Amino acid sequence: AQSVTQLGSHVSVSEGALVLLRCNYSSSVPPYLFWYVQYPNQGLQLLLKYTSAATLVKGINGFEAEFKKSETSFHLTKPSAHMSDAAEYFCAVTRGNAGNMLTFGGGTRLMVKP
Amino acid sequence: GAGVSQTPSNKVTEKGKYVELRCDPISGHTALYWYRQSLGQGPEFLIYFQGTGAADDSGLPNDRFFAVRPEGSVSTLKIQRTERGDSAVYLCASSSSGGGGEQFFGPGTRLTVL
Repeated sequence: AQSVTQLGSHVSVSEGALVLLRCNYSSSVPPYLFWYVQYPNQGLQLLLKYTSAATLVKGINGFEAEFKKSETSFHLTKPSAHMSDAAEYFCAVTRGNAGNMLTFGGGTRLMVKP
Repeated sequence: GAGVSQTPSNKVTEKGKYVELRCDPISGHTALYWYRQSLGQGPEFLIYFQGTGAADDSGLPNDRFFAVRPEGSVSTLKIQRTERGDSAVYLCASSSSGGGGEQFFGPGTRLTVL
């Protein structure tokens, strides 16, 4: 069984500040991990994914995440927040082989203050 | 190119009625997924198709829910005897393969059961 926990349903940062969104996972097999972003009234868009290659993964819009097996974490970061980053962010895990359905965390709403 | 499309974008129905939700995946994508996203939560897996067959339907909540993909392209999610608890956004995603490949999401159908 797999599960994802996102700490903090709401995170507020000032424009230009560091963004840190936390994700911890549980998986009985080596996981594939994803971060998706959802803007209001839009579909989910992939930010980045980890598929057992480099542990530091760079994605779109300046985001990156680091896979830490010892901590079962896959936190999302961005050095400097922009107003356009305000959205809902979802961490997800999949087994990466047969099945491949995504198990999502509950989401974190990022608010960016001017 | 065209992304995943879903119709209708909004559906309002009365308790006890039957509804059909349609998903048009990206052309050539063999894998198709349905998820359900309740207000304030992350998406939850419903069913996964590989080609025409349902490879995993373990996420369907009960036998009122059924999905088909007769020609390996368009899929229809069918809900019988709708209940107020079925109100949610139903998301469809497709990918070119299983194996941890990126899932591309449609904008969703917002179902409201009165």
